[in-house]
Amino acid sequence: DGGITQSPKYLFRKEGQNVTLSCEQNLNHDAMYWYRQDPGQGLRLIYYSQIVNDFQKGDIAEGYSVSREKKESFPLTVTSAQKNPTAFYLCASSIGIGDTQYFGPGTRLTVL
Amino acid sequence: QQPVQSPQAVILREGEDAVINCSSSKALYSVHWYRQKHGEAPVFLMILLKGGEQKGHEKISASFNEKKQQSSLYLTASQLSYSGTYFCGTGSSNSGYALNFGKGTSLLVTP
Repeated sequence: DGGITQSPKYLFRKEGQNVTLSCEQNLNHDAMYWYRQDPGQGLRLIYYSQIVNDFQKGDIAEGYSVSREKKESFPLTVTSAQKNPTAFYLCASSIGIGDTQYFGPGTRLTVL
Repeated sequence: QQPVQSPQAVILREGEDAVINCSSSKALYSVHWYRQKHGEAPVFLMILLKGGEQKGHEKISASFNEKKQQSSLYLTASQLSYSGTYFCGTGSSNSGYALNFGKGTSLLVTP
């Protein structure tokens, strides 16, 4: 089955620790995205990548980092510099920038 | 910059109609509509490209007024399954065509 997978579904970390969220897709999509979702805030774009080895900052990139070494994978690292990291994180992919996005199931990160 | 959605929330009885609006301060290339059930991933509903087109399937349709930088989602004869949060995502050349999503409209359909 083609789709996007995110793991884990729930993640707990202590304050001050970096944590990496996984996102994998087998849809052969060039573009991938990371969003953060907080109650009442909608989906806010963290980073996006149009193609392998290239990525751009979104609206709320501070405290986050990404890499795009393979077409299928777009991991997101939440660093200790992110002041309020507890949130629901969604990964998405599309054929190209601006095309229909398909979302993964999300990872709920809680920092204690 | 996030597009503005209205209303923030709406409660309907089964069979009633609803309209959700989405407006942007930027010139838009496209508008995408998604629905999200609680705790789940957003699911794509439809995409509208500039040109003032209207799209729809079954009882859910949408329009896009490029000049006014607005889009509206129309839900007619609502069903219980329509409940969820609806998001519009707007694409513009300013953002490299990556989507900016609104804060969402919560829709509850009751029996």
